[in-house]
Amino acid sequence: AQSVTQPDIHITVSEGASLELRCNYSYGATPYLFWYVQSPGQGLQLLLKYFSGDTLVQGIKGFEAEFKRSQSSFNLRKPSVHWSDAAEYFCAVGGNEKLTFGTGTRLTIIP
Amino acid sequence: DADVTQTPRNRITKTGKRIMLECSQTKGHDRMYWYRQDPGLGLRLIYYSFDVKDINKGEISDGYSVSRQAQAKFSLSLESAIPNQTALYFCATSDSWGRQETQYFGPGTRLLVL
Repeated sequence: AQSVTQPDIHITVSEGASLELRCNYSYGATPYLFWYVQSPGQGLQLLLKYFSGDTLVQGIKGFEAEFKRSQSSFNLRKPSVHWSDAAEYFCAVGGNEKLTFGTGTRLTIIP
Repeated sequence: DADVTQTPRNRITKTGKRIMLECSQTKGHDRMYWYRQDPGLGLRLIYYSFDVKDINKGEISDGYSVSRQAQAKFSLSLESAIPNQTALYFCATSDSWGRQETQYFGPGTRLLVL
C-alpha cells in the first residue's frame, strides 16, 4: 500500500531564512509525487509535481523539490521564505489512480 | 469563476439529520473525488468516481454515500450525521489523460454536526 510520512508537524522559520520540508513515501513502483499548499481558510493549491525525468522540479512561488529514489524522499525547499508562505503543506503520492496524502506540516513565519 | 465549486461553504446540522454537500466543476475532467480533512490526519479519501457510471469507495466511506449526477457534478451525502463527521470536506477533480493524477481542489465545505 502507498503511504506518505511528513515527520514535522510544525516548523517555524524566520522571514528570509531557507526552508526545507521533509516528505518520505512508500510506493511499489515509480511514484508520482506532489506538494500542495493550503493557506488559512483556503483549499489546496498545487505547488509542484514530479512524474519522471529531472529529479529536481520547480514549482510556483519559488519552491522546488528533489526526488531521491534511494531515500524514498521528496523534500520541498525554498531559499528565502516570505511571510505569505505561512500555510500548511501536504505531500502526496499517487500512480494507481488515487492520491495518498501526508498529515501535513504547518509552517509559521516569524519576522 | 472558480473551476471547482462546493456548496455550501459552511453548514451546521444536528445529529441524525441527512445532509448533502455538492460539488461542480467546469474543468471538463472525468474524475472526481471527495475527501475529509481533520486536524493532524491530513486528507482522507471518502469516495471517488472515474466517470458517471463508476463509483468507488475510499478508505473512510462508512456513513457516507455519493451520487454522480453528471460528469460535472458529484454530491456527497451524510445519511444520518453524527458529531465525529464534523470536518472540512474537499471535492477534487482530475483528468484521466495518461496516468498523471494532478488533482484540483475546491475551496472546501466546513461541516459542524451538533
